[in-house]
Amino acid sequence: EPEVTQTPSHQVTQMGQEVILRCVPISNHLYFYWYRQILGQKVEFLVSFYNNEISEKSEIFDDQFSVERPDGSNFTLKIRSTKLEDSAMYFCASSANSLSGKTQYFGPGTRLLVL
Amino acid sequence: ILNVEQSPQSLHVQEGDSTNFTCSFPSSNFYALHWYRWETAKSPEALFVMTLNGDEKKKGRISATLNTKEGYSYLYIKGSQPEDSATYLCAPAATGYALNFGKGTSLLVTP
Repeated sequence: EPEVTQTPSHQVTQMGQEVILRCVPISNHLYFYWYRQILGQKVEFLVSFYNNEISEKSEIFDDQFSVERPDGSNFTLKIRSTKLEDSAMYFCASSANSLSGKTQYFGPGTRLLVL
Repeated sequence: ILNVEQSPQSLHVQEGDSTNFTCSFPSSNFYALHWYRWETAKSPEALFVMTLNGDEKKKGRISATLNTKEGYSYLYIKGSQPEDSATYLCAPAATGYALNFGKGTSLLVTP
């Protein structure tokens, strides 16, 4: 069964460093998402992406964050200058169709620790 | 951002017991409600997507109902098994792409 994959599974970085989290969505999906979960809190929406542009973003997704689909298979989340409060589990998801009535399939997550 | 409440926060049942959880959300700006099952160290697994008031969905021993007018959904597990142990997340969505997750109900089923 097709699945969303994410790399790395864990990343430790120093405050102020740039990180890139990578995702390979399900191959025929067109809509891509990033979510995050800070330890002990709810899973939070960050951004959705379709047709090479952001379709919706949350207040969390400020200028420090960016997303890109550099080729036909990868979808990346970049944090330009990490802060301690960026430590979280980051999830990528993809869906075949638009809008919230369609299932979003999640990857296993990347655990980011900012020191 | 929708305010989503799930109850109970955690639940411990014996194998064979049936159980249910509640998800409450604002009834305005409703588009769809998603339920996920999440085991530690794994990807959240999609269970159901419901959009219409009165919707009922079933997958094996797990079923869900939706009331959009009063803003709640119930998830039922019939005859719980140890492999049902997981966190169950509900995520209503307004128009758009974002899923708004609750904190989840953590279920532990012991033999």
